[in-house]
Amino acid sequence: EAGVAQSPRYKIIEKRQSVAFWCNPISGHATLYWYQQILGQGPKLLIQFQNNGVVDDSQLPKDRFSAERLKGVDSTLKIQPAKLEDSAVYLCASSFLLTSGITTYNEQFFGPGTRLTVL
Amino acid sequence: QKEVEQNSGPLSVPEGAIASLNCTYSDRVSQSFFWYRQYSGKSPELIMSIYSNGDKEDGRFTAQLNKASQYVSLLIRDSQPSDSATYLCAVKSGTSYGKLTFGQGTILTVHP
Repeated sequence: EAGVAQSPRYKIIEKRQSVAFWCNPISGHATLYWYQQILGQGPKLLIQFQNNGVVDDSQLPKDRFSAERLKGVDSTLKIQPAKLEDSAVYLCASSFLLTSGITTYNEQFFGPGTRLTVL
Repeated sequence: QKEVEQNSGPLSVPEGAIASLNCTYSDRVSQSFFWYRQYSGKSPELIMSIYSNGDKEDGRFTAQLNKASQYVSLLIRDSQPSDSATYLCAVKSGTSYGKLTFGQGTILTVHP
């Protein structure tokens, strides 16, 4: 089974420029997540999609970040304009939801990430 | 109080010893708990999930969950140098689409 794919793997831009990241989830996974991981910290959720709808974007800086998942499969995350503090690894993850009784199983699998450096 | 807090590291253990990693969480309605391993420069890799109180064993790994104490731990038996990594505790809130909240991670070093 192929894992989560992301591109590019690395990106260096200057502040105020724009950048876009792409993610292809594991086949059949309806839920897709974008996380930001700053060095030395755990990943922080930016946005969560269920199929092509947004279910949580409460921590997405909407003045500069946007994301879409038009056909319920691939997703893109964009930053415009970038700031120095956006330097981080951007991780995409996917999962399927399986409910059995009162328990919902929701194991997330991560892609390799995109390391962004803003100069 | 942080939503998910892990024991501060780094943690250093000798090869063959048991490594104990701890995590507490603040949301009482949390339902699902995960441990991820992250090697330097790599993305997090899921190694254990636990959904009910008690112990869950998988090879050299044992996850322990105590919802009353809001505490989850990971034990690594017979630690190997290849276990050296950052271990991330992640907690999912009670709703079906609840987000995953990560701790800051604990760096584990297993020395020969």
